[in-house]
Amino acid sequence: AQSVTQPDIHITVSEGASLELRCNYSYGATPYLFWYVQSPGQGLQLLLKYFSGDTLVQGIKGFEAEFKRSQSSFNLRKPSVHWSDAAEYFCAVGGLAGGTSYGKLTFGQGTILTVHP
Amino acid sequence: EAGVTQSPTHLIKTRGQQATLRCSPISGHTSVYWYQQALGLGLQFLLWYDEGEERNRGNFPPRFSGRQFPNYSSELNVNALELEDSALYLCASSLRGQTLMEKLFFGSGTQLSVL
Repeated sequence: AQSVTQPDIHITVSEGASLELRCNYSYGATPYLFWYVQSPGQGLQLLLKYFSGDTLVQGIKGFEAEFKRSQSSFNLRKPSVHWSDAAEYFCAVGGLAGGTSYGKLTFGQGTILTVHP
Repeated sequence: EAGVTQSPTHLIKTRGQQATLRCSPISGHTSVYWYQQALGLGLQFLLWYDEGEERNRGNFPPRFSGRQFPNYSSELNVNALELEDSALYLCASSLRGQTLMEKLFFGSGTQLSVL
């Protein structure tokens, strides 16, 4: 069964500082990996995704993530955080076609990001 | 272009009642997904509909059911409500022909409170 772990429930950074949010996954094959962001009272917005190819993927709002198969990780990074980045961030893994998890996203528990001025 | 719309925004029911939640996907999207976001449990996959058919289902009891209409809108029905059904229910949609889940668009959700 696929699973996702986000070890950090809450992270606080200062505006302008760099950011790394951790994500580890468990999946039997090459996974589809995603990072979503949820602002208070809002639905989820896709930041970036990895399906195959280059293991460093660029997303919206200046975010990037690196897929490391050997570590089963897909960490999200941003070189300089803005106050508007304060939100909850979710890592997710998607099931492949033909499997019982097809069409299903399995989410981590989320990491709440607080940004201090 | 309108995004994914969900109604109602808030719904208050008592234990044992039935709840109906509605979702309108983005125009042109044929797949609709339902997720439950409950405190302490995170986001849990409920159902996936495509072209009017249920394609996959999460680990939820049968009292969680739904359907997709010819115009691709969808309903989620929860029968015999229990207190632990209180949660934010999110609907998402995606385009036909895209790699599945390549890009899901989420609505803002229906907050269901069971008293």
